[in-house]
Amino acid sequence: NAGVTQTPKFQVLKTGQSMTLQCAQDMNHEYMSWYRQDPGMGLRLIHYSVGAGITDQGEVPNGYNVSRSTTEDFPLRLLSAAPSQTSVYFCASRPRGLRPTNEKLFFGSGTQLSVL
Amino acid sequence: ELKVEQNPLFLSMQEGKNYTIYCNYSTTSDRLYWYRQDPGKSLESLFVLLSNGAVKQEGRLMASLDTKARLSTLHITAAVHDLSATYFCAVDPLRGSQGNLIFGKGTKLSVKP
Repeated sequence: NAGVTQTPKFQVLKTGQSMTLQCAQDMNHEYMSWYRQDPGMGLRLIHYSVGAGITDQGEVPNGYNVSRSTTEDFPLRLLSAAPSQTSVYFCASRPRGLRPTNEKLFFGSGTQLSVL
Repeated sequence: ELKVEQNPLFLSMQEGKNYTIYCNYSTTSDRLYWYRQDPGKSLESLFVLLSNGAVKQEGRLMASLDTKARLSTLHITAAVHDLSATYFCAVDPLRGSQGNLIFGKGTKLSVKP
C-alpha cells in the first residue's frame, strides 16, 4: 500500500515556466487537497477536491490550477511560475465520512519547488 | 475567518523537563488535530481530538481539547531528544466531509541534553 505518492521530490523552474506536480493515492479516498508550506507560515490550502470532477479553491489558489478526472489522481498545475511560488508542496487525502478513524489526513512526502 | 494560533513558536527544552504547547482557534469547531514534522519530512498524524474534553496520550505526549475555550494543549512529559521536531495543530472549521484543515504556524521544539 503506497499511500499518497508525490512526484517529483525536487524541481527547479525558471520564472514563466509551467509544470505539473503529480499526486496519486491508492486508498480510494474521495477527498484530496494541496497545501503549500512556507517558513513561519504553517501549511496553507491551495485547492481541494471532494471527489472526481469536483474541485474548489482554498486559501491561496492564485497561479495554480487543478483537475480531478479520477479518484486516484489530483495534479497541481503551475501556469506561469513566479519566485513567490517557491515553496514545499504537500498533497493530502482522506476518506469522506464522520467516523473517527476516517478523520486523519494522509500526507505525501512533499515536493520542494524553487522558482528562479 | 478562522485563525489558529500556536504558542510558543519556538521552544528549547532540556531533557527531562515538562512543557505545554498551546493551540487557540477563533471559531466553533469540535475537531482538532496534532501533527509532527521532522526536518525535510512529511507530516505525521499524532492525535485526532473529536469532542470537548477529549484527551489522548501516546508515550510522553498528551493532547487535550476544550471546545468551550477553543483551546487545545499538547503536553510533553520528561522530554527526550527524539521529540525534537515541529508540531502543528490544525482545525476542521466545517462539520462534515469537506476535510479542509486550517493549520497553525507550528511550534519548533528542540530538546537538548
